[in-house]
Amino acid sequence: SSELTQDPAVSVALGQTVRITCQGDSLRSYYASWYQQKPGQAPVLVIYGENNRPSGIPDRFSGSSSGNTASLTITGAQAEDEADYYCNSRDSSGNHHYVFGTGTKVTVL
Amino acid sequence: EVQLVESGGGLVQPDRSLRLSCAASGFTFDDYAMHWVRQAPGKGLEWVSGITWNSGSIGYADSVKGRFTISRDNAKNSLYLQMNSLRAEDTALYYCAKDISTATTGTGNLDYWGQGTLVTVSS
Repeated sequence: SSELTQDPAVSVALGQTVRITCQGDSLRSYYASWYQQKPGQAPVLVIYGENNRPSGIPDRFSGSSSGNTASLTITGAQAEDEADYYCNSRDSSGNHHYVFGTGTKVTVL
Repeated sequence: EVQLVESGGGLVQPDRSLRLSCAASGFTFDDYAMHWVRQAPGKGLEWVSGITWNSGSIGYADSVKGRFTISRDNAKNSLYLQMNSLRAEDTALYYCAKDISTATTGTGNLDYWGQGTLVTVSS
């Protein structure tokens, strides 16, 4: 099965821009979705498809993809964006088979 | 308002079984694929299993294949996960999640999640 690799942790100054990356072979064929998870809470979908935001997600969140790498960018990071972020994609091994990335802890300084 | 409420978790001995349930409301349940995702204490998310709207396509993570069975009852707006031959490494918070799309095969984009039910496998 495929694997999706993320940097364990990144930090960003308040109001600045941070990019979180996700690498994996399946990303050459499928888009990633991105989830935000705060301590003690269920994950929240923030980006899916080419670059789609569910209702209620601020437009400072955006997604992109190139080759085997998907990226989530937070433009103008806010204190409330401090959280764990996970990418997710369809696994290249099967039609109804998915995999999550290893997760990135984002700290807003 | 979309609601997903998991139940059935608890403490279970290794090699025993447990059945999780997820009660869905606030949307047309039989239009959407559904998924189970788990998170071991202090660890990341792991996709466990998914099922399309009509149960026509089902998938499992390699770590649970052959031991877990996903099913749904559209008449009862409910999703299930039968877990057999449980191992210590199955200890996790199990989330039920809704696929965002009504596409026949599902997309794996999960727009609503329950609060999870905790499964602890220990002797």
